[in-house]
Amino acid sequence: EVQLVESGGGLVQPGRSLRLSCTTSGFTFGDYAVSWVRQAPGKGLEWVGFIRSKAYGGTTDYAASVRGRFSISRDDSKSIAYLQMDSLKTEDTAVYYCTRDHNWNYGIDYWGQGTLVTVSS
Amino acid sequence: DIQMTQSPSSLSASVGDRVTITCQASQDIRNFLNWYQQKPGKAPKVLIYEASNLETGVPSRFSGSGSATDFTFTISSLQPEDIATYYCQQYDNPPYNFGQGTKLEIK
Repeated sequence: EVQLVESGGGLVQPGRSLRLSCTTSGFTFGDYAVSWVRQAPGKGLEWVGFIRSKAYGGTTDYAASVRGRFSISRDDSKSIAYLQMDSLKTEDTAVYYCTRDHNWNYGIDYWGQGTLVTVSS
Repeated sequence: DIQMTQSPSSLSASVGDRVTITCQASQDIRNFLNWYQQKPGKAPKVLIYEASNLETGVPSRFSGSGSATDFTFTISSLQPEDIATYYCQQYDNPPYNFGQGTKLEIK
């Protein structure tokens, strides 16, 4: 069974950093891309960023709203993806979802349960 | 960036009704579009991938069509358990933007 479990969320002050982890199981992690998607309270889904598998260069892309502040990485030996969030703003408050994605087709097919990040003083 | 315009933003329909949601891309995205269902307090779930392919295990009353810039999502006969918010997403070119969502309610 494919599983993705996010961790690391919580309350953080504006300007500080937080790192989310996405621990996966049930599939060959290294064969897939990972996208992070967030949802502010009562709002719609917002794509945050994406990391391709090593076979596709392991490259990343980001939404303009987080580019330069957030970075995505992966550890294929542990089947874990990370979302490093720096210089956090109050508008980054959201539930953050880790997803299994494909490198160029199919899109997202599995989602984690999400972890809440609250940025507040 | 590719903008996704989804409509309507909300919809009220009766059990058994045919429901249609549209999604328009600001440029050609070929067929690189998915439809997701999100129930309150839950993570989204993929229903349709590559514009028209039904995800395994998803009831056949759900369908998708379209290509290039214009896409349609249809529920052929609305069931009470279909109450949710539905989103389209393009993945032709990053950023892989979502539509604004359609909140579906029972009349």
